[in-house]
Amino acid sequence: NAGVMQNPRHLVRRRGQEARLRCSPMKGHSHVYWYRQLPEEGLKFMVYLQKENIIDESGMPKERFSAEFPKEGPSILRIQQVVRGDSAAYFCASSPPAKAGETQYFGPGTRLLVL
Amino acid sequence: AQSVTQPDIHITVSEGASLELRCNYSYGATPYLFWYVQSPGQGLQLLLKYFSGDTLVQGIKGFEAEFKRSQSSFNLRKPSVHWSDAAEYFCAVGAYNNNDMRFGAGTRLTVKP
Repeated sequence: NAGVMQNPRHLVRRRGQEARLRCSPMKGHSHVYWYRQLPEEGLKFMVYLQKENIIDESGMPKERFSAEFPKEGPSILRIQQVVRGDSAAYFCASSPPAKAGETQYFGPGTRLLVL
Repeated sequence: AQSVTQPDIHITVSEGASLELRCNYSYGATPYLFWYVQSPGQGLQLLLKYFSGDTLVQGIKGFEAEFKRSQSSFNLRKPSVHWSDAAEYFCAVGAYNNNDMRFGAGTRLTVKP
């Protein structure tokens, strides 16, 4: 049973370009979470999604960032017009249909570098 | 909303010595508590979790943690540290009515030979 998959593992973008990060949850998991980890910092919650539905986006920056989890295919975290401050590791986690406190399983992360 | 504090940014212990990593949480009801470990360049691996019941929780790799409601703490312990335990450790708290988790800033563990 494959774990949470993220791609690409490393992504380099120039300022002003778009970054698309993909996350395929574990089989049977219908909930996806995105976190950002800045250098020397902990994980910051960004967004929590079910299929075709955003449950909580309280951690998402108001501009340039968006997330989706379509009925078919992976979850996508999209960052438009990237800036140097967006350089970070972005982690995706998934869980089964969530009752409270369900364990989240993490992917290996995508490391974004903005030049 | 729930929050977590890990007071120690960096801890160094000798191999074979005991380890305790501190975690304090803030939440108005019974929390769900987790410890994750992150090796350099890797994702997070769950070490253990507390939902209810016995306040002393056993995890993988010989780790354990104790939930103390009176102190709002969930400290991670290991009796004898191995060099392979060197990593970043994150405490996290979840709420009873949703599945959002909040992470502490992490504690980096260095193991001396």
